[in-house]
Amino acid sequence: QAGLTQPPSVSKDLRQTATLTCTGNSNNVGKQGAAWLQQHQGHPPKLLSYRNNNRPSGISERFSASRSGATASLTITGLQPEDEADYYCSTWDDSLDAVVIGGGTKLTVL
Amino acid sequence: EVQVVESGGGLVQPGGSLSLSCVASGFTFSDHYIDWVRQAPGKGLEWVGRARNKANRYTTEYAASVKGRFTISREDSKNSVYLHMNSLKTEDTAVYYCTRLWTSPKDFDYWGQGTLVTVSS
Repeated sequence: QAGLTQPPSVSKDLRQTATLTCTGNSNNVGKQGAAWLQQHQGHPPKLLSYRNNNRPSGISERFSASRSGATASLTITGLQPEDEADYYCSTWDDSLDAVVIGGGTKLTVL
Repeated sequence: EVQVVESGGGLVQPGGSLSLSCVASGFTFSDHYIDWVRQAPGKGLEWVGRARNKANRYTTEYAASVKGRFTISREDSKNSVYLHMNSLKTEDTAVYYCTRLWTSPKDFDYWGQGTLVTVSS
């Protein structure tokens, strides 16, 4: 089934800003946005942002989400070594009646 | 404190069956949808299916890759959701996560540690 498109990898320097993207269509991201998940190696994913761009309690303000049309973005400011992880976007697809998840972006902090 | 704990993983031969359990605590279980998401070794996340709550008549949804082979059920009296897997294939090998969905928007806000299912002869 069709999913969401994320760049496989992004590399940024320590203390810089990274913007990760997630592209869908009018049946998913374009209609209701996308949630963002962070996963460190060997651990379960953790929710960073709801699809309405609100952060769960305890998530740093360095993580902010936005959407333009059918593309959702996650911006991480002041990159830290612990931000090195895999990032996934997810949302509901009205045409598929299914959750769609992006292939994930591996963020490397140099 | 919200907790989600999966169990039941293991080694099973192709064509076999296996059932996973997910027990949750720390919240009003009956109010929430519960989903299963899996992750094959070294791969990304893949949604498996959903168990909606009583208010939504306990309806279920499945990914195309598992429809007709996997069944999700829930037992609110035990704060539990089950994933019954039949006709297993080698490509079903993965860590299976149980996740709670927030009420609105319905996004995965709590995850279990996962249970590994290995399908191999």
